[in-house]
Formats: sequence, C-alpha cells, structure tokens
Amino acid sequence: GAVVSQHPSRVICKSGTSVKIECRSLDFQATTMFWYRQFPKQSLMLMATSNEGSKATYEQGVEKDKFLINHASLTLSTLTVTSAHPEDSSFYICSARDYLLGDTIYFGEGSWLTVV
Amino acid sequence: QQQVKQSPQSLIVQKGGISIINCAYENTAFDYFPWYQQFPGKGPALLIAIRPDVSEKKEGRFTISFNKSAKQFSLHIMDSQPGDSATYFCAASRMDSSYKLIFGSGTRLLVRP
Repeated sequence: GAVVSQHPSRVICKSGTSVKIECRSLDFQATTMFWYRQFPKQSLMLMATSNEGSKATYEQGVEKDKFLINHASLTLSTLTVTSAHPEDSSFYICSARDYLLGDTIYFGEGSWLTVV
Repeated sequence: QQQVKQSPQSLIVQKGGISIINCAYENTAFDYFPWYQQFPGKGPALLIAIRPDVSEKKEGRFTISFNKSAKQFSLHIMDSQPGDSATYFCAASRMDSSYKLIFGSGTRLLVRP
C-alpha cells in the first residue's frame, strides 16, 4: 500500500529553537497533506491543511506564525515549529491524500517532539 | 456541527468475543466515514471506511454499520484477538470539498487472552 514517511521520528530540541518535521508521500502524489497534533491518550487534532503550491489553511486556534507549513512539491510537506516551548512537546502526525485514488488518506508514523 | 462523538472510551473483551464501538456525527454534509487503528507510538492505520450510500461494509473480521437517519455508525470486530488491542478512532469527512478528517475521541480496546 501507499506509504507516508515522516522524519525525524523523534526529536529533542532546546526551548527557543526551531525544529522542522518532514512528511513525504513515497509512491504517490499528494496535492493535499494534513498536519495533526496528538497529546498522550488523546485524539488527533487537525492543525492545518497543506495544499501544494499554495498557503496552508490553519484551524482555529492554531498559530500560523508558530507552526510554519510548506508544501513545495507533490510529495513533500514540512512543518516547522518555531521558537519551541515545552508545551509544544507532542506527537505530530501528517497525512496525505492520494488524489488519484480520491478519498484515500494515508497517515505517517508520526514524529515525537520533546522541547526541553 | 463538526464534532464526532465516540463511545465507549475504553472496552475490554475476551478473546473470540465481539468488540463494538459507536460513533455519532452532527454534520449531514459528511460523506466519508473511516475507522483507524492506532498502536502506541505509531500513526493511525486505515482499517475500513464507508460512504453513506450503503448501510454496511464488511472486510474480514471488521464490519461498519451505518445508520444515515440516526447519524450514527459503528465498528464491529468479530472474533476479537489480543493483537487487536489498540486505540480505535472513528472519523468523518467531506470528500466533496475539504477532505479534512474530524476524529472521534478514541476507544482503547483491550482483548484478554
């Protein structure tokens, strides 16, 4: 089946620094990618929708200047957490829509971010 | 309008039993209802999905039942196995526009040997 790869799977950064997480669709083209955040034992909360070649659409309450999303190609979207703080520590998961298969959405394995 | 309510929060089933998880939605514009399985530390994996034009879909031991008039859908896991122990999320989406998945709160399933 289709694979969505996230990198890094785990990252620890110091408070105040920025960290970038990559999301790649490995064997299909993804015009739309989504970024989610998940706290332990909680559900996935949609942060933003990333469309190739255009600005991301952020959900209400998500700071667009803090969570920078870039979708530069049909196979890559990046999430940059800027000026990270300990409360940004979370599990970040991306998903990608295979536009040829219509409603099929695949999830990445997630990236654990710990801000110390 | 955007919420998807899921129950129960946790479920314990004996091996071989049937696990049943329920979800309800409010937005009648939703037209795609998937179920995801998530193991600790991993991303969610699509189990099975249904569109509102059918009332039931079965894939192996997994069945979705869909009640459009009640705006409810459920996941049935037949012959539950210890390897099925995971967190299950229902979701809903509008495939004609945003494709955004709105997730339920999740159900932690434990299947006892």
